[in-house]
Amino acid sequence: GENVEQHPSTLSVQEGDSAVIKCTYSDSASNYFPWYKQELGKRPQLIIDIRSNVGEKKDQRIAVTLNKTAKHFSLHITETQPEDSAVYFCAASIQSNTGFQKLVFGTGTRLLVSP
Amino acid sequence: DAGITQSPRYKITETGRQVTLMCHQTWSHSYMFWYRQDLGHGLRLIYYSAAADITDKGEVPDGYVVSRSKTENFPLTLESATRSQTSVYFCASRAGVRYEQYFGPGTRLTVT
Repeated sequence: GENVEQHPSTLSVQEGDSAVIKCTYSDSASNYFPWYKQELGKRPQLIIDIRSNVGEKKDQRIAVTLNKTAKHFSLHITETQPEDSAVYFCAASIQSNTGFQKLVFGTGTRLLVSP
Repeated sequence: DAGITQSPRYKITETGRQVTLMCHQTWSHSYMFWYRQDLGHGLRLIYYSAAADITDKGEVPDGYVVSRSKTENFPLTLESATRSQTSVYFCASRAGVRYEQYFGPGTRLTVT
């Protein structure tokens, strides 16, 4: 069935270290993979996304990589800062049986960056 | 972000009551969504709409009803609220052919 697994569920790093969050998906037809950041009490905010025709995408300290063969994608944050502390969600597009594209979300990773 | 709003932001209701959560967007996005967020489950899709008067079920639709008579509004109704519907509800929207999806600020619903 439609499934996105996300690991780890919690991640603690020191300021300046790198953080990596990994997701796997089950539908080989998935072609869009966004990442959302959610601060406490706030809405999920889109921070970066990647489409299946690209293997890697970077935006300053954030990068996402995609391995279509293995059906997994990862979020990389370099030079972490305390303000990076939040819950991060990955998602994969799934085509429903009516042809509609929807997103299935992972269960989230709580990232804590200590000064 | 101000383009998609939800009301109320907080709601406490009793078991068995009907409650409606409102979602309004000013971007003229075709697609709108309702999710619920619970600890350990991430974001689960309740209902979605591809356009006015076109709606369909998501992963967890039981106990919920939606309508979309106007493009900008997508209300979610709990016909007879249960404690298991205590959750944070997020509305979201996206433009027709693009995948970027944006969330509203959320409604925290408590059913006592």
